[in-house]
Amino acid sequence: NAGVTQTPKFQVLKTGQSMTLQCAQDMNHEYMSWYRQDPGMGLRLIHYSVGAGITDQGEVPNGYNVSRSTTEDFPLRLLSAAPSQTSVYFCASSRSGTNEQFFGPGTRLTVL
Amino acid sequence: AQRVTQPEKLLSVFKGAPVELKCNYSYSGSPELFWYVQYSRQRLQLLLRHISRESIKGFTADLNKGETSFHLKKPFAQEEDSAMYYCALKGSGGSNYKLTFGKGTLLTVNP
Repeated sequence: NAGVTQTPKFQVLKTGQSMTLQCAQDMNHEYMSWYRQDPGMGLRLIHYSVGAGITDQGEVPNGYNVSRSTTEDFPLRLLSAAPSQTSVYFCASSRSGTNEQFFGPGTRLTVL
Repeated sequence: AQRVTQPEKLLSVFKGAPVELKCNYSYSGSPELFWYVQYSRQRLQLLLRHISRESIKGFTADLNKGETSFHLKKPFAQEEDSAMYYCALKGSGGSNYKLTFGKGTLLTVNP
């Protein structure tokens, strides 16, 4: 199993550009989440999904959209990037009934 | 609201010394607490959870409801323990996708 994969690893955007961060898992996990990691701020939940077709907002959802059309994929969209969205983004998945989240390797995003 | 506080951003110890990474939480119900670790250039991974009451890589953590703490301890630190450590909380009735993380403590174990 590849586990949780994320692409790209690095990305530089200009203010106002849009892009999609990809996340996929091959463990048939129901739950998937997106976090952002900022220095001194820890990990903050952006959006999450409890299954295909179901998504909800986390702690810091503004500026981000998500969708969950399949169990495997959970892309994160930035419609109009802002410098405040410069961060490292982590995708995670977990199985219903367990307490362990499995994290992807992260995407380092810089918005100029 | 649930909150996790890790008071130390940085912690530096010498190899063989005891280490304690502090974690305090705020939650009105019965929480589940976890420690996650991120080694250099590796992804975040679960280290241990309070429910299991286990020791992983020599680390232990006991949930103290009276002091609302879940400190991570190891009697003899090793250089390979150098990493970023995050304490996380899952509230009762919530699901495991809604973890609240502390801001993290960067542990450096010096030779």
